[in-house]
Amino acid sequence: QVQLAESGGGMVQPGKSLTLSCTASGFAMRNHVMHWIRQAPGKGLEWVAAVWFDGSNKFYGDSVKGRFAIARDNVKSTVSLVMSGLRVNDTAMYFCARQLTTVNRHLDYWGQGVLVTVSS
Amino acid sequence: DIDMTQSPVTLSVSPGDRAVLSCRAGHSVGSNLAWYQQKPGQPPRLLIYGVSTRAAGVPARFSGSGSGTEFTLIISSLQSEDFALYFCHQYNFWPQSFGPGTRLDLK
Repeated sequence: QVQLAESGGGMVQPGKSLTLSCTASGFAMRNHVMHWIRQAPGKGLEWVAAVWFDGSNKFYGDSVKGRFAIARDNVKSTVSLVMSGLRVNDTAMYFCARQLTTVNRHLDYWGQGVLVTVSS
Repeated sequence: DIDMTQSPVTLSVSPGDRAVLSCRAGHSVGSNLAWYQQKPGQPPRLLIYGVSTRAAGVPARFSGSGSGTEFTLIISSLQSEDFALYFCHQYNFWPQSFGPGTRLDLK
């Protein structure tokens, strides 16, 4: 069955960096665009970033552009999110999600999420 | 960027009621609109994609409609397990975006 498992979360000080990882199983990750979405405590969903099948195209939300970098390793079936210059308002649960196809671009599977807390 | 709005913020309903949730996009997103359900401590679950297509395993009491900038999710007869948060999501443009959500509360 399709599974996405996030890891790498934790508490970090403002201005520092943290790398999240998402490990995919149960499907061929190389055939899917992969996304990161976050949710601040008690808030709604915020789309963060996405990476094309082969890593050739990457897209970012305005609030993270220039600070976060998404990448993928199709051999290891992992997607990473390198977060730099972290701010208190980056505190959130971070979800990895799979885009179904390039025609049906909705997100059909989500991981359980990993919590990132930015605090001094 | 495409701003997404949802109304109402909270909808207080009773089991068996019909719930109507609205989503509006700041610019036409065509039919590239999905709905997700989220319960406490869980990730979002895909309900509807392409405006009106139910995802696998989603009960027929959930239906979606609309086009362009105005979209609706209808739950025809609420069950106890339907009390949750609901988000719409446009995937027509980069960056993609979500609505702020509608919470279904038990009246």
